[in-house]
Amino acid sequence: GIQVEQSPPDLILQEGANSTLRCNFSDSVNNLQWFHQNPWGQLINLFYIPSGTKQNGRLSATTVATERYSLLYISSSQTTDSGVYFCAVDREETSGSRLTFGEGTQLTVNP
Amino acid sequence: NAGVTQTPKFQVLKTGQSMTLQCAQDMNHEYMSWYRQDPGMGLRLIHYSVGAGITDQGEVPNGYNVSRSTTEDFPLRLLSAAPSQTSVYFCASFDWSSGNTIYFGEGSWLTVV
Repeated sequence: GIQVEQSPPDLILQEGANSTLRCNFSDSVNNLQWFHQNPWGQLINLFYIPSGTKQNGRLSATTVATERYSLLYISSSQTTDSGVYFCAVDREETSGSRLTFGEGTQLTVNP
Repeated sequence: NAGVTQTPKFQVLKTGQSMTLQCAQDMNHEYMSWYRQDPGMGLRLIHYSVGAGITDQGEVPNGYNVSRSTTEDFPLRLLSAAPSQTSVYFCASFDWSSGNTIYFGEGSWLTVV
């Protein structure tokens, strides 16, 4: 199966700082998603981004499919950004039911 | 519109007992999945379904059964619980019409003693 590696595993920031999270994957994919798991365990879909760049407020993501990596940018971080960020992929575009997840980046934003 | 609803939220089982985790969605999504999340790890796919009457195995299916008799419901059955099945279980639903947005339930915390 596809291997997904995320870095860094842990990241501690002061409120207001910027950060970049990386996701490397071992094979071609047609589905790549970023998720945020808050400290209470709830999973929220951030981006569907198999290629290109998207932005949503202070968050943006870029996937370079030919080089098999994706980046999640968080600008002006807030304490509510704390939690675990997961990258998940699949070879097929529409099979959102069969994702392979990385182990996540644990982000802590201190006030 | 409740989204994806999982029950129970917390459960303690004894080794060898069986139980069913319930999952229901009210968005008429075709695709549904069950994942497990162990401490410090990402989610791993247990079983998934691409429509009523159609199920298939994921990465870690052993010890679990599923069925999909309706579009709305996708129960996960633990046949004979083992301590290795202590985990947090997430149900998810998805449909292409939702713009590839995957909706997760709130999770079910299961402890097998």
